[in-house]
Amino acid sequence: DAGITQSPRYKITETGRQVTLMCHQTWSHSYMFWYRQDLGHGLRLIYYSAAADITDKGEVPDGYVVSRSKTENFPLTLESATRSQTSVYFCATTGLAGDGRETQYFGPGTRLLVL
Amino acid sequence: KQEVTQIPAALSVPEGENLVLNCSFTDSAIYNLQWFRQDPGKGLTSLLLIQSSQREQTSGRLNASLDKSSGRSTLYIAASQPGDSATYLCAVNDYKLSFGAGTTVTVRA
Repeated sequence: DAGITQSPRYKITETGRQVTLMCHQTWSHSYMFWYRQDLGHGLRLIYYSAAADITDKGEVPDGYVVSRSKTENFPLTLESATRSQTSVYFCATTGLAGDGRETQYFGPGTRLLVL
Repeated sequence: KQEVTQIPAALSVPEGENLVLNCSFTDSAIYNLQWFRQDPGKGLTSLLLIQSSQREQTSGRLNASLDKSSGRSTLYIAASQPGDSATYLCAVNDYKLSFGAGTTVTVRA
């Protein structure tokens, strides 16, 4: 199916462990984004990428690492997970909708619990 | 830094009533503004996108207005239905998307 997939959909880990969240798109959209969603904060941008091998920090990048060796994949790594990183993580791309307007498409999210 | 605020945080209305959701932003230098819908435990679905040069955008029962100079957008949902119950998010695009915290809408049958 076309679109954005995220894996895993649910993850429980412990403080200090490394965790990688995967994001895959079946289009060839240039831009990809990682957001986290927390109660009271809405969605906040963690990192984004304008193309393969080009990444940049968003609003809340500390504790996260990204890479983008291929256009279709944009993994997000928590190098040493902390309880404050318990959140729902969304991956998104920017592409053209049917009416020709640029819009963002979101994946289904990954629910991460850090114990 | 762009700040996006949505008021009210929650709204409960009887079926058939019109809904008015507000979004305000601090920096008017934007490319566009987008309204999303999020159902519990789900991702975001784009509802309407208004370019910075536009004043409003309509899709079915939904109408969104944009007043860039005052930093405001309003989403109107006509004749609400229980299926409209969801959280509605406003996002401002000034090269990157900045989101409001959302308005959670409950439409009572």
